[in-house]
Amino acid sequence: KQEVTQIPAALSVPEGENLVLNCSFTDSAIYNLQWFRQDPGKGLTSLLLIQSSQREQTSGRLNASLDKSSGRSTLYIAASQPGDSATYLCAVNTGFQKLVFGTGTRLLVSP
Amino acid sequence: NAGVTQTPKFRVLKTGQSMTLLCAQDMNHEYMYWYRQDPGMGLRLIHYSVGEGTTAKGEVPDGYNVSRLKKQNFLLGLESAAPSQTSVYFCASMQQGSYGYTFGSGTRLTVV
Repeated sequence: KQEVTQIPAALSVPEGENLVLNCSFTDSAIYNLQWFRQDPGKGLTSLLLIQSSQREQTSGRLNASLDKSSGRSTLYIAASQPGDSATYLCAVNTGFQKLVFGTGTRLLVSP
Repeated sequence: NAGVTQTPKFRVLKTGQSMTLLCAQDMNHEYMYWYRQDPGMGLRLIHYSVGEGTTAKGEVPDGYNVSRLKKQNFLLGLESAAPSQTSVYFCASMQQGSYGYTFGSGTRLTVV
């Protein structure tokens, strides 16, 4: 059974810091991995998607890497801003676009 | 605005009562999903549908039923609610061949 773990569970940083969020999964047989952002009381917004054949994807200040063989992904956020405060979820696609989610990292960026 | 709409946004049920959660999308997406989110456990897939008239079980289907009679709607039913079904329920949709999920804003359900 696929299990997805995210470390740390919570992170508090001052504005401007670069930070790394970690995601690990137990079964390397995935189609792709996605990173989502969730704001309180809201749905999820897709940030980045990495296909199983890719090593990384970038969007603005966000960079996600994937090491499928070791079952790991990282989300790098450069020059963090208070508006980045949210919960970040990673999810692996196990087929039919069904996602298995991690428990999330709650990020607080203080001014 | 185009997207996924969930109805209702909040609901309190008594144990044993039944209810239906409605998910509607106006993007003509083929795939639709119901997830539940519980503290410390992340989102877990309840049921999903790959097209009108089709449904399939996810990771935690017990106690729930679903129907997809129209392409744009995906209904989640609780026949006899239990306190263990207290959760936030999210619906999502996706176009076949793409990977972009669109999530609804969630339904917070409390069973007392």
